[in-house]
Amino acid sequence: AQSVAQPEDQVNVAEGNPLTVKCTYSVSGNPYLFWYVQYPNRGLQFLLKYITGDNLVKGSYGFEAEFNKSQTSFHLKKPSALVSDSALYFCAVRDMVLGNDMRFGAGTRLTVKP
Amino acid sequence: DAEITQSPRHKITETGRQVTLACHQTWNHNNMFWYRQDLGHGLRLIHYSYGVQDTNKGEVSDGYSVSRSNTEDLPLTLESAASSQTSVYFCASSDRGATPVHEQFFGPGTRLTVL
Repeated sequence: AQSVAQPEDQVNVAEGNPLTVKCTYSVSGNPYLFWYVQYPNRGLQFLLKYITGDNLVKGSYGFEAEFNKSQTSFHLKKPSALVSDSALYFCAVRDMVLGNDMRFGAGTRLTVKP
Repeated sequence: DAEITQSPRHKITETGRQVTLACHQTWNHNNMFWYRQDLGHGLRLIHYSYGVQDTNKGEVSDGYSVSRSNTEDLPLTLESAASSQTSVYFCASSDRGATPVHEQFFGPGTRLTVL
């Protein structure tokens, strides 16, 4: 079965600095990978996804993620963090062959300090 | 604008009672999902549906049931609520394609407390 690991519960960065939120995955086939963001008392919002093709995926709000097959990783990045980026971030994976359900990581809380 | 709504947003109930959480989407999506969110676990899939009259069990389906009588709604029922079912519940929907490439759209969540 597919699974996702987000090794950091919490990431703290200063405003204007680059940020990285880490994600590694495990699937039996090829993966579909997703990043979602959750603001307080809200549902999850889709940020970006990797299906196939270019390993660098660009998404909403200036975020991007790099798919690395050899390291089974899909880290979320942003060149310059904003205080408004502070939120809970979830990585998710679907197996291209199985495809039936999406498995989410436990989430990483990003705090951007002014 | 299309949206996905959940009701109630907050619910307090007692152990042993039956509880139904509503989910309604106007995206005209075929796929609908129910998740629960607990600290340290992220989101875990409870049940999902790929269309009318179709329902499937997810990772943590024990004690829950769903029914799909139309495209727009997927109510989640807790047959006999237990304290372990205290959680935040999210409904989601997605389009249906030949392959499962589509992202999911989430509702605002229902916070359920079982006393």
